[in-house]
Amino acid sequence: GAGVSQSPSNKVTEKGKDVELRCDPISGHTALYWYRQSLGQGLEFLIYFQGNSAPDKSGLPSDRFSAERTGGSVSTLTIQRTQQEDSAVYLCASGGTDQETQYFGPGTRLLVL
Amino acid sequence: QKEVEQDPGPLSVPEGAIVSLNCTYSNSAFQYFMWYRQYSRKGPELLMYTYSSGNKEDGRFTAQVDKSSKYISLFIRDSQPSDSATYLCAPSDPQGGKLIFGQGTELSVKP
Repeated sequence: GAGVSQSPSNKVTEKGKDVELRCDPISGHTALYWYRQSLGQGLEFLIYFQGNSAPDKSGLPSDRFSAERTGGSVSTLTIQRTQQEDSAVYLCASGGTDQETQYFGPGTRLLVL
Repeated sequence: QKEVEQDPGPLSVPEGAIVSLNCTYSNSAFQYFMWYRQYSRKGPELLMYTYSSGNKEDGRFTAQVDKSSKYISLFIRDSQPSDSATYLCAPSDPQGGKLIFGQGTELSVKP
């Protein structure tokens, strides 16, 4: 079946612009996670959605970052007033109600000039 | 100190070698331990996971957890050039299931 998809695959933007990154999870998966992968920091958790519960936003690095998940499916990660240090690969993962399995998408490569 | 420590390598081995990849962690509450494989410019791919201490085998791959020493291992037998990738250990936080990743070990298997 279809895996996790993310769009765009690559995004180049200018410092100060807003960007939106999209994640389509595996159908039926209730959990959705956003992570960021950068050279200096490795893979870091950003935010977690589980069903209709309030999201766990504990990993968001600043209030410029926000995410929403509409209808328990598609999620959008928004970065406002982008900075050069936001340049990274943004990865989305989805999973069921268990804690064992998270399946990752291919990521969005963000470059802030 | 990071919650999960992993030697970034790079590690280079000849084809057919046994590979040992290792991580240490600090949080004794971790119960699920994942191993992911990541090819260049791709998303991480779940290889296998273990629950609590013990071994789990899947083909040429064996995952091992020793909770008493907070030590996680992945063994690859009869390594192949197609195993060349970055391997990431990732315990699961019991509060919500977010993954806590090690830095990843870059493995190269030479033909």
